[in-house]
Amino acid sequence: GAVVSQHPSRVICKSGTSVKIECRSLDFQATTMFWYRQFPKKSLMLMATSNEGSKATYEQGVEKDKFLINHASLTLSTLTVTSAHPEDSSFYICSARRSGGIQYFGAGTRLSVL
Amino acid sequence: SQELEQSPQSLIVQEGKNLTINCTSSKTLYGLYWYKQKYGEGLIFLMMLQKGGEEKSHEKITAKLDEKKQQSSLHITASQPSHAGIYLCGADSGSQGNLIFGKGTKLSVKP
Repeated sequence: GAVVSQHPSRVICKSGTSVKIECRSLDFQATTMFWYRQFPKKSLMLMATSNEGSKATYEQGVEKDKFLINHASLTLSTLTVTSAHPEDSSFYICSARRSGGIQYFGAGTRLSVL
Repeated sequence: SQELEQSPQSLIVQEGKNLTINCTSSKTLYGLYWYKQKYGEGLIFLMMLQKGGEEKSHEKITAKLDEKKQQSSLHITASQPSHAGIYLCGADSGSQGNLIFGKGTKLSVKP
């Protein structure tokens, strides 16, 4: 099956620093990738849709200046959490949509902000 | 907006037993996806259903979409400890291709 690679799997950082998370589709091109956030015992919440070559589309309530998304190529999207604070600690998961509609997910990144 | 409700929220079964997880949508489903997630990990795609009445099977897991396309069920036959995890149903949102998800069903299988 299709593979989506997400890196890093875990990151611990100090409050105020920025963290970059990468999402790569390894065996297919993805014009659209998605970034989700998952809270404990809650469902996945869509943060933004990342479109190759254009600006990301953010969901209501998601600060675009805080969560910077760049989709520079058909196989790579990055999410940068700028000036991270403890409330940004969470599990972030990316997905890439393949032609035919199936979304394949990365392994997730657990962010802990001290 | 569309909502997906999963039941039960959690399930503990003895190894070898069968079980069913349900996913009910507030609106007609145009694409229903089942994923499995282990705690702290990503989602593993299981099956996709699109047509009313459709049924798909993979190994010991069978997923069905009802004729009205508002409810799906996931059935596991002769459960094994490897089936343990969180099962999530997702549906096409109809906008940009993202999925909306139910809250998940946590399955534990006792050896």
